[in-house]
Amino acid sequence: DVKVTQSSRYLVKRTGEKVFLECVQDMDHENMFWYRQDPGLGLRLIYFSYDVKMKEKGDIPEGYSVSREKKERFSLILESASTNQTSMYLCASSSNLATGAGTEAFFGQGTRLTVV
Amino acid sequence: KQEVTQIPAALSVPEGENLVLNCSFTDSAIYNLQWFRQDPGKGLTSLLLIQSSQREQTSGRLNASLDKSSGRSTLYIAASQPGDSATYLCAVYLSVTDMRFGAGTRLTVKP
Repeated sequence: DVKVTQSSRYLVKRTGEKVFLECVQDMDHENMFWYRQDPGLGLRLIYFSYDVKMKEKGDIPEGYSVSREKKERFSLILESASTNQTSMYLCASSSNLATGAGTEAFFGQGTRLTVV
Repeated sequence: KQEVTQIPAALSVPEGENLVLNCSFTDSAIYNLQWFRQDPGKGLTSLLLIQSSQREQTSGRLNASLDKSSGRSTLYIAASQPGDSATYLCAVYLSVTDMRFGAGTRLTVKP
């Protein structure tokens, strides 16, 4: 079974703190993604990465950065956490293979971040 | 711009009923389409992936169909159970790395 594991289910951080959200996948997938999910706004893409050390901005990158030093790990960094970054954060991974299961995306269990 | 719409936003049915969830998209030039389920406070669980060359996929009591020309996909759930209660999301792939999600349909199956 594909596994995408996020380091924390719940986090509470203070305004101004630097926050790291970690995501690890075990299927040798090329692509990894970070989304946030808010009521009424759905899933919004923050950043994605298609290879080690490569990253692309998504729809809402402001206030976030990412790091992908190893293929299996993709980190989301909140440089200075703010209350409007309170949200559910979801990590996903997928392959570039065009055959078989194609590019099926798999998600982690989510991290509920609260910034106080 | 690709828009993905899921109707209805919420659905409540008695146990045992067969039901259909709908997903529509505005641009038929899609790569794949994927259905997910999300339980409250949890991540997304992949249910079915339909590649653009396919018309349908089946897994157990679930059947998903894709009609690219009309911009529609349906997820059919047979003999619904209370454990099927969740939010169901569809995602349209514009490319390998570009997925657009619908807002979801919240399904409640009453015992």
